[in-house]
Amino acid sequence: TQLLEQSPQFLSIQEGENLTVYCNSSSVFSSLQWYRQEPGEGPVLLVTVVTGGEVKKLKRLTFQFGDARKDSSLHITAAQPGDTGLYLCSQVTNAGKSTFGDGTTLTVKP
Amino acid sequence: NAGVTQTPKFQVLKTGQSMTLQCAQDMNHEYMSWYRQDPGMGLRLIHYSVGAGITDQGEVPNGYNVSRSTTEDFPLRLLSAAPSQTSVYFCASSYRGATYGYTFGSGTRLTVV
Repeated sequence: TQLLEQSPQFLSIQEGENLTVYCNSSSVFSSLQWYRQEPGEGPVLLVTVVTGGEVKKLKRLTFQFGDARKDSSLHITAAQPGDTGLYLCSQVTNAGKSTFGDGTTLTVKP
Repeated sequence: NAGVTQTPKFQVLKTGQSMTLQCAQDMNHEYMSWYRQDPGMGLRLIHYSVGAGITDQGEVPNGYNVSRSTTEDFPLRLLSAAPSQTSVYFCASSYRGATYGYTFGSGTRLTVV
């Protein structure tokens, strides 16, 4: 069974602070996605990374895929209350199936 | 732009009742899947389909049936509801497999009493 661990589980910060959340796998994966989910809604895809060492930026969000293709991080610069939500990572195996982590619940206080 | 539409949004069932959760997408996506989301357990795959007429089991298929007669629709049937099936159910679709991520519906919150 492939495990996908996210840390921290909960994070509460003040508006304007920077933060990093992590996603680590027990095995190599072919691609990885990051999603953001708000209460009462489905997850919304933020980014897909497929190449080891890849870095993608989405406004104040920076996503990095580890060289060994077993880990990823999401860094948010100058967090805003609108960034509040559950951040999920999902790995896709070479067999084409996806596994989700339990997520990081982020709260940004104004 | 409807995307993935799930109905109903909320449902309460009695133990032993059956029901069908509806899922429809208008993006001509071949790949569709059903997940359940429980606190502390993330999203777990129930069933998935790679195209019309083709379905397969995911991680937690027991107690659920699916069929895929059209590209657009992928209903999930609960055969005999149990309290352990209390959860939030999400339908997701993608153009071709999971590699580039999914579009999710807004979910169905199911309570079995």
